Amino acid sequence: AQKITQTQPGMFVQEKEAVTLDCTYDTSDQSYGLFWYKQPSSGEMIFLIYQGSYDEQNATEGRYSLNFQKARKSANLVISASQLGDSAMYFCATLYSGAGSYQLTFGKGTKLSVIP
Amino acid sequence: DSGVTQTPKHLITATGQRVTLRCSPRSGDLSVYWYQQSLDQGLQFLIQYYNGEERAKGNILERFSAQQFPDLHSELNLSSLELGDSALYFCASSVRDQEDSTDTQYFGPGTRLTVL
Repeated sequence: AQKITQTQPGMFVQEKEAVTLDCTYDTSDQSYGLFWYKQPSSGEMIFLIYQGSYDEQNATEGRYSLNFQKARKSANLVISASQLGDSAMYFCATLYSGAGSYQLTFGKGTKLSVIP
Repeated sequence: DSGVTQTPKHLITATGQRVTLRCSPRSGDLSVYWYQQSLDQGLQFLIQYYNGEERAKGNILERFSAQQFPDLHSELNLSSLELGDSALYFCASSVRDQEDSTDTQYFGPGTRLTVL
């Protein structure tokens, strides 16, 4: 079974500063995907960034980057130049393709609050 | 806007009742997934359909069922509702059958179900 651990229930960051949200995962699969989603207070789940297990370079999408350390099984999300609109819950997830089962497994999330 | 639509946005009903949640995937996406988000269980995968066929089942109760229609929209049916079924129900869609770990799932805005 896949397991995702997000050890930071809540984080605060000053506006315009960078912040790192931690995520570790546990999988025995050779091929897997790692995803980060953002959930604002309005409730929708917004896809942010993806990293494949065979990707050698860390993924980047605008102000988001993923610090992927395969040997340590960690996939931390880095948000640069934080904005007030970044205040939200952030979920790390892994997609694995076990026999007959293709699903995202989510961590419990980190609540990020950006302080003006 | 992810391109995935869900109706209704909110649903309030009584215990013992039956409700139907509807989802339309992004244009071109063949896979539809249903997830439940509750305070105590977090985000949990319920079921996946690909091009009209059930592909994978997660923690879905026997009182719940789903289907995907020829036009690819999907419905999640919840019956004999209990207080504990109150949650945010998400539909997500992706292009492929998730046979590789790179396929990103895009989420709809969710349906908030309240069982009184």
